[in-house]
Amino acid sequence: DTAVSQTPKYLVTQMGNDKSIKCEQNLGHDTMYWYKQDSKKFLKIMFSYNNKELIINETVPNRFSPKSPDKAHLNLHINSLELGDSAVYFCASSQGLSGKGSYNEQFFGPGTRLTVL
Amino acid sequence: QKEVEQNSGPLSVPEGAIASLNCTYSDRGSQSFFWYRQYSGKSPELIMFIYSNGDKEDGRFTAQLNKASQYVSLLIRDSQPSDSATYLCAVSHMDSNYQLIWGAGTKLIIKP
Repeated sequence: DTAVSQTPKYLVTQMGNDKSIKCEQNLGHDTMYWYKQDSKKFLKIMFSYNNKELIINETVPNRFSPKSPDKAHLNLHINSLELGDSAVYFCASSQGLSGKGSYNEQFFGPGTRLTVL
Repeated sequence: QKEVEQNSGPLSVPEGAIASLNCTYSDRGSQSFFWYRQYSGKSPELIMFIYSNGDKEDGRFTAQLNKASQYVSLLIRDSQPSDSATYLCAVSHMDSNYQLIWGAGTKLIIKP
């Protein structure tokens, strides 16, 4: 059984289009995340939700909008796609946010490779 | 700004030897420390975490934490070609709501 799933796995689209990536976790976790990993492999946090509430929103363009309909889902919608948006986007989840190490362990989805032409 | 530093590598180690990966962090208040492995084209997966000073062993892997010197290491004994991957260090801190702050990763190559 997949713990954190993302769809689609690959996304190829034209500049200016709007697209969405979906994420679901069946681990019963309270916290979910979106990361962007560029060609240099640096993992950059974009959004974090805890119990459906936005906890952290790093400086990402407002063309990116996360939506969390419930604790198990965190979707990412991107408007007016640009060439620089090409990257791999990872969804992740953790039990919650705490000083305890295991509580913060993040489980990652398989990633969505977005290519903007 | 809280930072986590890793040597990007690549670090090349002969098969059967010990691979030593290092990570330094800037904030003394950091509380938990994670090592993830990421194969090319795959997602990061947790190897182990540590939050107390000293060593923590799990199979061929040993994490070492030295809070006074602000570094955390990962040792891989009896390195195998299948250990070739990028290793990511991540640190959590109360001031960041325990979000993980990530290093850029070290690429490890195990030579047969």
